[in-house]
Amino acid sequence: EDQVTQSPEALRLQEGESSSLNCSYTVSGLRGLFWYRQDPGKGPEFLFTLYSAGEEKEKERLKATLTKKESFLHITAPKPEDSATYLCAVQRRGGNQFYFGTGTSLTVIP
Amino acid sequence: DTGVSQNPRHKITKRGQNVTFRCDPISEHNRLYWYRQTLGQGPEFLTYFQNEAQLEKSRLLSDRFSAERPKGSFSTLEIQRTEQGDSAMYLCASSPRLGGTAGRSEQFFGPGTRLTVL
Repeated sequence: EDQVTQSPEALRLQEGESSSLNCSYTVSGLRGLFWYRQDPGKGPEFLFTLYSAGEEKEKERLKATLTKKESFLHITAPKPEDSATYLCAVQRRGGNQFYFGTGTSLTVIP
Repeated sequence: DTGVSQNPRHKITKRGQNVTFRCDPISEHNRLYWYRQTLGQGPEFLTYFQNEAQLEKSRLLSDRFSAERPKGSFSTLEIQRTEQGDSAMYLCASSPRLGGTAGRSEQFFGPGTRLTVL
């Protein structure tokens, strides 16, 4: 069964303190792995898509990496405005569904 | 293009009533998805449209839920005989069809409709 597990559930960082969020997945043939940011009361905002192991993508202070079993979202020198819930999702090859994890709630303290 | 829009943004209803939500996807996006999200959880897939065809429904989707996408443009999600357990955020997302890379496309979400069933 396709499954996505994110850790930690919650993370508090001081401004400027770099860290990583983990997304472990089990899927029978990965079509793509997706990272989203979600602010309270809003819909998820697309960040990255990763398609194959070894792929990396960067955007400002965020960098996403992918292996055959997990993905990491690295946050370098975070700012308070990076505070949000970060969601990971996978799509199986040949399928239409996207399976989401429960997210990591990130709080960056000034 | 202003992105995916959903209406209403909030809906409060009494148990047993029917409700209908609307989603307007990004223009020319032929794929449309409905999700349900409860507090502390990730979005849960409900159904998927490619153009006007409903190609996939979650096995967890009750018969009280129905969705349409006439003419492959906007979509509606109806919940009949609402129950308190239906209280959630209902999210709509759309994605384009990329030439030569079918299915390799990101989803863009709307702001959601928050349903409260009393």
